[in-house]
Amino acid sequence: GIQVEQSPPDLILQEGANSTLRCNFSDSVNNLQWFHQNPWGQLINLFYIPSGTKQNGRLSATTVATERYSLLYISSSQTTDSGVYFCAVAMQAGFQKLVFGTGTRLLVSP
Amino acid sequence: GAVVSQHPSWVICKSGTSVKIECRSLDFQATTMFWYRQFPKQSLMLMATSNEGSKATYEQGVEKDKFLINHASLTLSTLTVTSAHPEDSSFYICSARPPTSSGGWGEQFFGPGTRLTVL
Repeated sequence: GIQVEQSPPDLILQEGANSTLRCNFSDSVNNLQWFHQNPWGQLINLFYIPSGTKQNGRLSATTVATERYSLLYISSSQTTDSGVYFCAVAMQAGFQKLVFGTGTRLLVSP
Repeated sequence: GAVVSQHPSWVICKSGTSVKIECRSLDFQATTMFWYRQFPKQSLMLMATSNEGSKATYEQGVEKDKFLINHASLTLSTLTVTSAHPEDSSFYICSARPPTSSGGWGEQFFGPGTRLTVL
């Protein structure tokens, strides 16, 4: 099956710093989503981005489908950004089941 | 965005009992819902795809008789963990996706999860 790897696995930042999270996938996809899992376990949708670039406030994401990777940018990080970030991808066939990446655990300190 | 709810948020049960978890799409109809399991400090693993009006499709290695799925309406799917044991303790999360205007598959939205502890 498709493999989804995220890097870095762990990231510690000072408040105000910028960061880039990466998601590599091993096969062609037509659905890619980024999520933030908060300390209570809730998955919060950040971006639905099978290709191209999107921005939402301090966050932006870029997916280069032909090269099989996606990037999530966090600017001016805040302590509330702490948590685990997942990318998840789905392939064309079937019901488009999402396959989750390995996750990046982010800690933003004051 | 679309809203998916789960009930209960957490449950503690004795070994050997059965536990039912509900997943509801609150503001859209979902012909397909998904059930995931997440162990501490790990990623989400898909357990099964729940299809309204038909049998669920289970991922390899997931016991059909242990995890019973019923998708009886367009807004409700249930997961029943039968004869639960301590190794079934985990965080169970469901998801669903609203239909798109083009009739294709779009963004998935997740419920808040159910934390199951089996003593």
